[in-house]
Amino acid sequence: GEDVEQSLFLSVREGDSSVINCTYTDSSSTYLYWYKQEPGAGLQLLTYIFSNMDMKQDQRLTVLLNKKDKHLSLRIADTQTGDSAIYFCAESGANFGNEKLTFGTGTRLTIIP
Amino acid sequence: EPEVTQTPSHQVTQMGQEVILRCVPISNHLYFYWYRQILGQKVEFLVSFYNNEISEKSEIFDDQFSVERPDGSNFTLKIRSTKLEDSAMYFCASSEAHRGVETQYFGPGTRLLVL
Repeated sequence: GEDVEQSLFLSVREGDSSVINCTYTDSSSTYLYWYKQEPGAGLQLLTYIFSNMDMKQDQRLTVLLNKKDKHLSLRIADTQTGDSAIYFCAESGANFGNEKLTFGTGTRLTIIP
Repeated sequence: EPEVTQTPSHQVTQMGQEVILRCVPISNHLYFYWYRQILGQKVEFLVSFYNNEISEKSEIFDDQFSVERPDGSNFTLKIRSTKLEDSAMYFCASSEAHRGVETQYFGPGTRLLVL
């Protein structure tokens, strides 16, 4: 079945860039997502990328997709204390009736002042 | 901004009891989902629901689980006879459409503890 893997922890100094990595196994993945979870809150969609794209930029966020290696990354420029959260990578297919999201374990991002 | 809401935020129950977790999806959304996250583990898909019926369910979603849309606004998950291993955070989500980029919006979750 589908599997999505992430490293569990990342610590970054405030003002530096954070890069959170994700690998997935399902070659039919059509959309890949990044969700953010702050303490006590739900999963907030940050951004997504369609599988025929290599890169997507949205303000401080840059998503890179290497479809050949099934590798997805999220870069957060100028990391701030408010970026402290757990970041989940997720994928879905586009087959009719198969839109469930498969999530990674989440990467806990800690900002060092 | 519209959001998905869930009640209660926390629930403690005894093993064998029935629980109902409630969700109010975003009002113009047509597709509804339940996911769960056992502490320290991945967020797992349970079930998706459209047009008053289940469209897909995972192997976790056995006969102890059921979903319902009892009125035009609520979407519920019932666990008939809770087990210790049902302790988890349960997330409800909704989406406007069912294909890819029509993304799923998540509620804040209900933390269920079965004793």
